[in-house]
Amino acid sequence: RKEVEQDPGPFNVPEGATVAFNCTYSNSASQSFFWYRQDCRKEPKLLMSVYSSGNEDGRFTAQLNRASQYISLLIRDSKLSDSATYLCVVIPGGGATNKLIFGTGTLLAVQP
Amino acid sequence: GAGVSQTPSNKVTEKGKYVELRCDPISGHTALYWYRQSLGQGPEFLIYFQGTGAADDSGLPNDRFFAVRPEGSVSTLKIQRTERGDSAVYLCASSLIDSWGEQFFGPGTRLTVL
Repeated sequence: RKEVEQDPGPFNVPEGATVAFNCTYSNSASQSFFWYRQDCRKEPKLLMSVYSSGNEDGRFTAQLNRASQYISLLIRDSKLSDSATYLCVVIPGGGATNKLIFGTGTLLAVQP
Repeated sequence: GAGVSQTPSNKVTEKGKYVELRCDPISGHTALYWYRQSLGQGPEFLIYFQGTGAADDSGLPNDRFFAVRPEGSVSTLKIQRTERGDSAVYLCASSLIDSWGEQFFGPGTRLTVL
């Protein structure tokens, strides 16, 4: 079983739609959680951190459920520029390393 | 300011050859990471440097892969006896030591082994 699992998509949605991505992680000792965004043939960039209390950044809302080992990302009022791959990322616990464990990514295509 | 840079941007080599991939991190970032990304997959961790030393090399797939960071800045990933399965985009990232989770990635080196 992969450490971080995501639905690869693609998710094809019209502009203005609300779309939600989910992710599960297998290591219950995982410490920190993030969503990264990767545009086609570009490098990944941090989109937002994910906290147990939930956090929002403009049109983006991230949630963490530690009991279910589940992370979500909600995008409201989708824009064409939101088209990208969204990577669920976990920092595993149990050590001093800052290595990131990535899911396979979920491809979002926002249609005009 | 300047971001993470990687050279070359593309490298085509033949099976069995040796390659070196270079990463120049953001100035002042003490932590440096190497990942590789195959088509349709997320980046896969290879090795993490804190300063000059490899703090975690658990992701290196086998002993053909080696990385150095002799002066705590530029890093080189070395692959011996390349195999077709090594073909991927090799990504380097750097961060401040206390920047938990926020790593800044370079554009990557696309390695193709024929």
